[in-house]
Amino acid sequence: DGGITQSPKYLFRKEGQNVTLSCEQNLNHDAMYWYRQDPGQGLRLIYYSQIVNDFQKGDIAEGYSVSREKKESFPLTVTSAQKNPTAFYLCASSIFLAGSRNEQYFGPGTRLTVT
Amino acid sequence: SQQGEEDPQALSIQEGENATMNCSYKTSINNLQWYRQNSGRGLVHLILIRSNEREKHSGRLRVTLDTSKKSSSLLITASRAADTASYFCATASGGHKFYFGSGTKLNVKP
Repeated sequence: DGGITQSPKYLFRKEGQNVTLSCEQNLNHDAMYWYRQDPGQGLRLIYYSQIVNDFQKGDIAEGYSVSREKKESFPLTVTSAQKNPTAFYLCASSIFLAGSRNEQYFGPGTRLTVT
Repeated sequence: SQQGEEDPQALSIQEGENATMNCSYKTSINNLQWYRQNSGRGLVHLILIRSNEREKHSGRLRVTLDTSKKSSSLLITASRAADTASYFCATASGGHKFYFGSGTKLNVKP
């Protein structure tokens, strides 16, 4: 059964702690993305990766870090430097990067609450 | 920013009626896509329309694209309660990023 998995679905952390969100895909997609969604708003791009061991900052990368050691995996770390980390985080993948033929496949999301 | 913006922000209709939502964007694009999001879930791709296409159909969905006006519309015909969700447009301009609008929240009343 192909798809993208994110774990956990809900995550609670104390302020000042780093936390890592998992994203795994078995679609054999090259490109992977992390988005942040705040209530009633659209998606904002945090980081994206075209290929293993390569990733690029999106529009709101400050306070976040990623790694891409395997094609299937693109974990996101929310560091203590992120000033407002409570949000819904979505991971996505696609066959090609943005271009003439591509759609993004999304995971179910992780809701992070930091208190 | 070339971020798309959907209009209206919220739409409430009766089951069986048609729902139309619009998306406007700012810069030239390679394609425009529509996604659906059920509350608290991930997004699901609905349809992609390329910049050289004007209209596309998929089941009860009809998408139009007017590149001269930098706008697109999504029509859902004969709506069902199960269509209740948020709908987002996303644009891609040949770079490596997608830009999502803030969405239209559709409520279909049974």
